[in-house]
Amino acid sequence: GESVGLHLPTLSVQEGDNSIINCAYSNSASDYFIWYKQESGKGPQFIIDIRSNMDKRQGQRVTVLLNKTVKHLSLQIAATQPGDSAVYFCAEKTSGSRLTFGEGTQLTVNP
Amino acid sequence: EAGVVQSPRYKIIEKKQPVAFWCNPISGHNTLYWYRQNLGQGPELLIRYENEEAVDDSQLPKDRFSAERLKGVDSTLKIQPAELGDSAVYLCASSLDASGTQYFGPGTRLLVL
Repeated sequence: GESVGLHLPTLSVQEGDNSIINCAYSNSASDYFIWYKQESGKGPQFIIDIRSNMDKRQGQRVTVLLNKTVKHLSLQIAATQPGDSAVYFCAEKTSGSRLTFGEGTQLTVNP
Repeated sequence: EAGVVQSPRYKIIEKKQPVAFWCNPISGHNTLYWYRQNLGQGPELLIRYENEEAVDDSQLPKDRFSAERLKGVDSTLKIQPAELGDSAVYLCASSLDASGTQYFGPGTRLLVL
């Protein structure tokens, strides 16, 4: 069946360093991918998305890379700040189907 | 602009009791979703509404769960009777349409004792 995941469950970085969070997906028909950030006690917050016709998309301090050949998605956070500490979920979707979430990566930013 | 609003934020009940969650989506969003999130896991879809119509409820345990979205705006999710395994965070999300970005509310944290 469809699944999104395969990641390090935790990632610890120093403040100011760049962070890279990885995600693999199994459904080659997926055409839309999203990264969400979830802080403790809150709902998932949209960070950035990318469609399958792109391989890179940049936002403010964040970049998402999509490698369709190996079905891999990554989120890069530049100059990581303490406020970036949260669980990060990748999610994938095919047209007309539901959004499927991975299990998440806990990012901890050390001062 | 207000985000997705959910209430209550926390609920503690004994097993076999009923419980209800309420969601007010972002204004103008036609699509509304209810998700369940178990500890340490990603959210899993329970039901999706297009306006007032439930178009994907295949993951909803219909023996004890029910939902409604009267008038195509607010929605209520009910569990009756609750079981210990229902303890989770229940998230509501909305989007402009089925292909739009989903925005989540803060969730209701349910503990069944």
